[in-house]
Amino acid sequence: RKEVEQDPGPFNVPEGATVAFNCTYSNSASQSFFWYRQDCRKEPKLLMSVYSSGNEDGRFTAQLNRASQYISLLIRDSKLSDSATYLCVASKGGSYIPTFGRGTSLIVHP
Amino acid sequence: EPEVTQTPSHQVTQMGQEVILRCVPISNHLYFYWYRQILGQKVEFLVSFYNNEISEKSEIFDDQFSVERPDGSNFTLKIRSTKLEDSAMYFCASRGTGAGGYTFGSGTRLTVV
Repeated sequence: RKEVEQDPGPFNVPEGATVAFNCTYSNSASQSFFWYRQDCRKEPKLLMSVYSSGNEDGRFTAQLNRASQYISLLIRDSKLSDSATYLCVASKGGSYIPTFGRGTSLIVHP
Repeated sequence: EPEVTQTPSHQVTQMGQEVILRCVPISNHLYFYWYRQILGQKVEFLVSFYNNEISEKSEIFDDQFSVERPDGSNFTLKIRSTKLEDSAMYFCASRGTGAGGYTFGSGTRLTVV
C-alpha cells in the first residue's frame, strides 16, 4: 500500500468553481501534514500546513482527520493561476521525513 | 524570504561519470534532504541529514550516492558513476525546528547520456 495516496486527476474546472482534493496516508505515526503546490518543472512550494483543527488561508481550507487518516484541501473561487499539481505530504515525527503523494493535477479554464 | 539555492540548474553528463550537485540550505535550518523526481513521476525521498550525519536514507540511495556538508553551509549530493536512469530533477530541501514546512530549492536537472 502506498504511504500517501491521491487521486491524480486531472480536475478540469471553470474559473470561480470550488474544488476539493483528498489524500489518505497509511502510516499512523505521521504527525505533520502539508499541502504543496508544484508548477510544471518547478520545485514544490509550501501552500499550507494542515492542523487537526482545520485551517484556512484565504480561498484555501485544509482539514485533517486522524481517525480516518485523511487530509483534504478545498479551493474556493478558483483562479486560472491555481492551475498546478497539488502534493499531499505526510511526515513522521522525530525523523521529519516528508513523504509525498503523487499529486493531483488541477486545470482551471476560463 | 530565505531560500534554498541549488547549483547547477542543469547538468548533462556521460554515463559512468561522477557528478556533484550542490545546495546551500537556509542558514538557520538544521534538517537537510535530497529528493529526486523523474519526469512525470512523484517526488521521491533519497536521504536526510541532521547533526552532520545521515539520519535516514531510502532504497534508492545506494552505494553510488553520498552526501556531505563540508563547510557548514554547502550540502552536496555526489553520484559516483551515473546511470541513464539517474536522469531526473534533484531537489534539495531544508527545515528548521518547530512546525514549519520544508523549503525546496529550485532543483538541478540531471541528464545522463
